[in-house]
Amino acid sequence: GAVVSQHPSRVICKSGTSVKIECRSLDFQATTMFWYRQFPKQSLMLMATSNEGSKATYEQGVEKDKFLINHASLTLSTLTVTSAHPEDSSFYICSATEQGNTEAFFGQGTRLTVV
Amino acid sequence: LAKTTQPISMDSYEGQEVNITCSHNNIATNDYITWYQQFPSQGPRFIIQGYKTKVTNEVASLFIPADRKSSTLSLPRVSLSDTAVYYCLVGASYNQGGKLIFGQGTELSVKP
Repeated sequence: GAVVSQHPSRVICKSGTSVKIECRSLDFQATTMFWYRQFPKQSLMLMATSNEGSKATYEQGVEKDKFLINHASLTLSTLTVTSAHPEDSSFYICSATEQGNTEAFFGQGTRLTVV
Repeated sequence: LAKTTQPISMDSYEGQEVNITCSHNNIATNDYITWYQQFPSQGPRFIIQGYKTKVTNEVASLFIPADRKSSTLSLPRVSLSDTAVYYCLVGASYNQGGKLIFGQGTELSVKP
């Protein structure tokens, strides 16, 4: 199957700093990417959907100025957590799909810890 | 968006067949049904996908009745390594504007 690479796999940052997470589709063109957040023992919560070259569509309750999503190319999307706080500590997962392909492929996730 | 309902948890023993049923009463005509497996601190892994009737691959089978309002994931002869959370998703992510929404999932525990 297709491969989605997410980097870094884990990151620790100080409160108030910004952290960027990258999501790359390695062998297909990701026309749509999804960003999720998952807290312990909970399901994945969709944060936003981004289509290549367009602004991301954020789910209700997700602050677009705090979670900046860029999908500038067909193989790369980034999520930047700005002015991170301890409550932003979570497991962030990206997913990518290709136009016409019914399957979505997931990255391995990024464990963010804000101290 | 079609909402899915699954049992929160299931227990099984090694070597048994496990069937997990998912309800999706308001599935749309162009929605596919996809099952994912997730281990702790990992991204979900694709298991199987179907639109109608029965689909089988090397790891599982997916049974979908004619009305498509439910689906059943069947895992033959589970092992300890099948202990994970299983998610049923309904959607058409391949269309721009489509979303993949996760329900609460089913936590499967396989015991020796």
